[in-house]
Amino acid sequence: EAQVTQNPRYLITVTGKKLTVTCSQNMNHEYMSWYRQDPGLGLRQIYYSMNVEVTDKGDVPEGYKVSRKEKRNFPLILESPSPNQTSLYFCASSSRAKGDTEAFFGQGTRLTVV
Amino acid sequence: AQSVTQPDIHITVSEGASLELRCNYSYGATPYLFWYVQSPGQGLQLLLKYFSGDTLVQGIKGFEAEFKRSQSSFNLRKPSVHWSDAAEYFCAVGASNDYKLSFGAGTTVTVRA
Repeated sequence: EAQVTQNPRYLITVTGKKLTVTCSQNMNHEYMSWYRQDPGLGLRQIYYSMNVEVTDKGDVPEGYKVSRKEKRNFPLILESPSPNQTSLYFCASSSRAKGDTEAFFGQGTRLTVV
Repeated sequence: AQSVTQPDIHITVSEGASLELRCNYSYGATPYLFWYVQSPGQGLQLLLKYFSGDTLVQGIKGFEAEFKRSQSSFNLRKPSVHWSDAAEYFCAVGASNDYKLSFGAGTTVTVRA
């Protein structure tokens, strides 16, 4: 089954404690991205990756890092989380191989920073 | 840069009634347009998409949307809603030369019995 898998689904952490949210896709998609979802703001892109070892900032990259060492994985790293990073996070992947750009989303990670 | 406006934050509709969710986009060329649905506690599921061709697009769960270039709109419709349609709906726009999607703020749909 084609899917994007995020872990964990829920996470409560304390300010300043480094954390990583993993994301993996099994569709061989070249493009992966991270979004955060906040009430009234929709989804905003944090970082994206066009392919292995190619990453770039999205609209709200401050306080986040990513890496793309393998095509299937795209972890999101919060080196020093702060309460304003409390949010619902989604990983997505897509491909242009078939001519369109439909994005497939993970189930989301609800992060609370206290 | 592309952007999306969903004018309605919240819509309440009776079960069996029709539903229309508005979406207006801003983009210089022909956009790629999407509607996603997010049920409580779930990820985003694609309802339908428009890339080119017929401007009336059919999707899953009985939804359809119409692309109107002159109005820069891509409104979502369903003739008769079911209680299971209660969810948050997001309109998104993409570009032919870019993978990035820009999302609207979302419209929450409540279905009353």
